[in-house]
Amino acid sequence: DAGVTQSPTHLIKTRGQQVTLRCSPKSGHDTVSWYQQALGQGPQFIFQYYEEEERQRGNFPDRFSGHQFPNYSSELNVNALLLGDSALYLCASSFPTVAGFERYEQYFGPGTRLTVT
Amino acid sequence: DAKTTQPTSMDCAEGRAANLPCNHSTISGNEYVYWYRQIHSQGPQYIIHGLKNNETNEMASLIITEDRKSSTLILPHATLRDTAVYYCIVSSKYNFNKFYFGSGTKLNVKP
Repeated sequence: DAGVTQSPTHLIKTRGQQVTLRCSPKSGHDTVSWYQQALGQGPQFIFQYYEEEERQRGNFPDRFSGHQFPNYSSELNVNALLLGDSALYLCASSFPTVAGFERYEQYFGPGTRLTVT
Repeated sequence: DAKTTQPTSMDCAEGRAANLPCNHSTISGNEYVYWYRQIHSQGPQYIIHGLKNNETNEMASLIITEDRKSSTLILPHATLRDTAVYYCIVSSKYNFNKFYFGSGTKLNVKP
């Protein structure tokens, strides 16, 4: 069973450009969350997708947007890249929270290392 | 979600128990304590979680104080492969996939 996969592994972009990162969730999972991890810091929650809609969002500007496809895979798009967007971008998948069923574990992918020059 | 406080780093000898503390004094009644770890250059990995009772699984034990204001993650026999950053997170079970990670504790297991 493949876990969470992300592509590409590494990416170098120039300030002002746009980037798209991709994530395939673990088999059976239909909720995808995206995190940004700057060097030396813990991951910061960007947003979460379920049923092809953004359900929750962290404190990130509108330059960060996403999409979820019918097969539950997801994309993270960042427009007008800034130097400060350089980070490891992590995707995590999980089952949805359903009343009566305790879900408590996220599975993280290896991340995409984005460098903005 | 309640915030957590963890030491920046800790050392542990290989084969000994590693005890990682976490303070979460503002935890509310419906919030769980979760522990994840992140080995260098990998995504975080779930370890264990608990509400108020002590928990144990194949990886670790979680001890939560009676007032739930602090907890300790115990790795009973640390190995070099346990060297990682350990994150203590407090969140309601309905927000477990929207975590607020702090800076965590860097555990250095030494031979």
